[in-house]
Formats: sequence, C-alpha cells, structure tokens
Amino acid sequence: DAKTTQPPSMDCAEGRAANLPCNHSTISGNEYVYWYRQIHSQGPQYIIHGLKNNETNEMASLIITEDRKSSTLILPHATLRDTAVYYCIVRVANAGGTSYGKLTFGQGTILTVHP
Amino acid sequence: AAGVIQSPRHLIKEKRETATLKCYPIPRHDTVYWYQQGPGQDPQFLISFYEKMQSDKGSIPDRFSAQQFSDYHSELNMSSLELGDSALYFCASSLPPVWSGGAYEQFFGPGTRLTVL
Repeated sequence: DAKTTQPPSMDCAEGRAANLPCNHSTISGNEYVYWYRQIHSQGPQYIIHGLKNNETNEMASLIITEDRKSSTLILPHATLRDTAVYYCIVRVANAGGTSYGKLTFGQGTILTVHP
Repeated sequence: AAGVIQSPRHLIKEKRETATLKCYPIPRHDTVYWYQQGPGQDPQFLISFYEKMQSDKGSIPDRFSAQQFSDYHSELNMSSLELGDSALYFCASSLPPVWSGGAYEQFFGPGTRLTVL
C-alpha cells in the first residue's frame, strides 16, 4: 500500500471548515484513499473514501487531485466533537487474494477544534 | 444500529499469564480484523479472518493466536504475557468485498484495554 504524509497537527475554530491535507504521491491506479479518525482512545471511525472523483457524505467531503497524488478531507462546520486524530490511508480496495483489506495506520493529523 | 462488541472492556493480568479477548462482529460481517495500539502509538494490524480462515497476518507475536468461529465471532488468545503487551486491542469487522462493490470500510469496536502488571 502507498505511503501517506500528513501534517502532525492542525487547529480549527468551531463552526469553520477544517481542511486536512494528505500526500500520497506513490498511489497506484487500483488504490483508494480512505479517511478514518480516532477520538481519544475510542475505536477508529470510518469517515469517507474515494478513488478519483470527489466524494461527499453526511460527515465530510473528500477532494482528490486530478493526478491522485494528494487529497483533502473537508469537515464543513467543525465542532468540538471533531477533535481527533485523522488518518489518511491508501490501500487496494479489493485485493482478491489473501489480503482482505488490513488498514495500515501511519502518523495522522491531530485536529484540535477551538471554541 | 448494531456495532462491533468486544469483551472484556478492561483486563488486568500478571506477567506470564494468559488472556483471551473476544470480538462479536456486526451481523452479516464475515471479515474480522485485530489491531493493537500501544500507549501513544498508532493502531497496528495483527491478524484478520475471512469466512473463518486466516486471511492476513501482521506483526502478531508467536505467543498470540486467534481464530474465527462458525458464528463469525473471533477470539484473540495471548499467552506468556509481557509488560509490553499492555495496550488497547481493537477488533473491526467488514462486509465481504463482493457485497460492497469492492470498496469496503471497517467498523471498529470500542476496544479492550489490557494492562499487564
């Protein structure tokens, strides 16, 4: 799976949009970009994923550059409860072989939302 | 909605003892993953099962073993516990790839906090 690079920490004011970048310059054509977050000591929580098109769900939006070498997770109206570690993970969606989708967590971004 | 259930939530053991952690996946999820998260560290993949067969293996010590049963619940058995095994252990489950169109997310349980004294 491709390696990702994220800033170690970011701050955001409550009610403002939080834009979390991720660099994945070695991504392969069959690899998806996944975002998970982990609120202190809780189990990681799936947020969103995408292949090459921008995606939006009730939690966030995912913007993937045309060359797919980077992406941005957008939380449109951050709240205090969005304070967490955000992980950008790149992996093959359906390996088809013996690997059924383990997640490789690297250093994520600690997002702190301030009142 | 039903979530992944893990038991126990907290476990305290002495060195060299054994421990068994249990995971009950979301109904219809037949793929289970185990992760270990040490203090101040990121979660690390240990092992996974698909349809009761081991599907992938990560940095799981030889002292650990796991299996998935016919009802799809999974157990992580840990023997000869060491101080360094103190960590949060997360279980996650997912749908099989073909059901979710090839791209599938994992749903994590609340974790078991293991403390080895």
